[in-house]
Amino acid sequence: EAGVTQSPTHLIKTRGQQVTLRCSPISGHTSVYWYQQALGLGLQFLLWYDEGEERNRGNFPPRFSGRQFPNYSSELNVNALELEDSALYLCASSLGDRAGQPQHFGDGTRLSIL
Amino acid sequence: QQQVKQSPQSLIVQKGGISIINCAYENTAFDYFPWYQQFPGKGPALLIAIRPDVSEKKEGRFTISFNKSAKQFSLHIMDSQPGDSATYFCAAIAGANNLFFGTGTRLTVIP
Repeated sequence: EAGVTQSPTHLIKTRGQQVTLRCSPISGHTSVYWYQQALGLGLQFLLWYDEGEERNRGNFPPRFSGRQFPNYSSELNVNALELEDSALYLCASSLGDRAGQPQHFGDGTRLSIL
Repeated sequence: QQQVKQSPQSLIVQKGGISIINCAYENTAFDYFPWYQQFPGKGPALLIAIRPDVSEKKEGRFTISFNKSAKQFSLHIMDSQPGDSATYFCAAIAGANNLFFGTGTRLTVIP
């Protein structure tokens, strides 16, 4: 069974640019979560999508947005990139909005802002 | 505000020793507590998880101890091996929602 896949693996952008990151969940999983892992700051929750709808949002500015497609894959968009957006962006998936479902992570997209 | 507090930040253990990582939480709505293991360049991998109605769960060399009244839980790695060297994250979740992570513990097992 294929795990969570993310693309691209690495990305270099400059301040002010926009970026789109992609995630394909494990087959059968309907929930997709996005987390930011900045150096020394641990994993911070960004967004949660289930069945195409945004279910929850972390404490991030509106320039962080995303969507989930009918096949449950997801995109994370970041506009007006800032230096502090440099981080590993991780996507996780789970079986859906039922309590106690484990979340499984991809290997992330490393975003570097110059 | 850090919802899950994790300690120590780093840990060095001799091969064959026991590694112990501790976490504490305040939100009594948390009902699922997973531990993740992360190697450099990889995403976190689910290691073991526990629910608050159980005081201990063991899978191979990995054991979670859970103290509901103290709102604390810990990961014990028995017979630690160099291959266990990684960053370990505790986490907590309330119902169907996002995970709240601890700040991570970098474990180094010395041969």
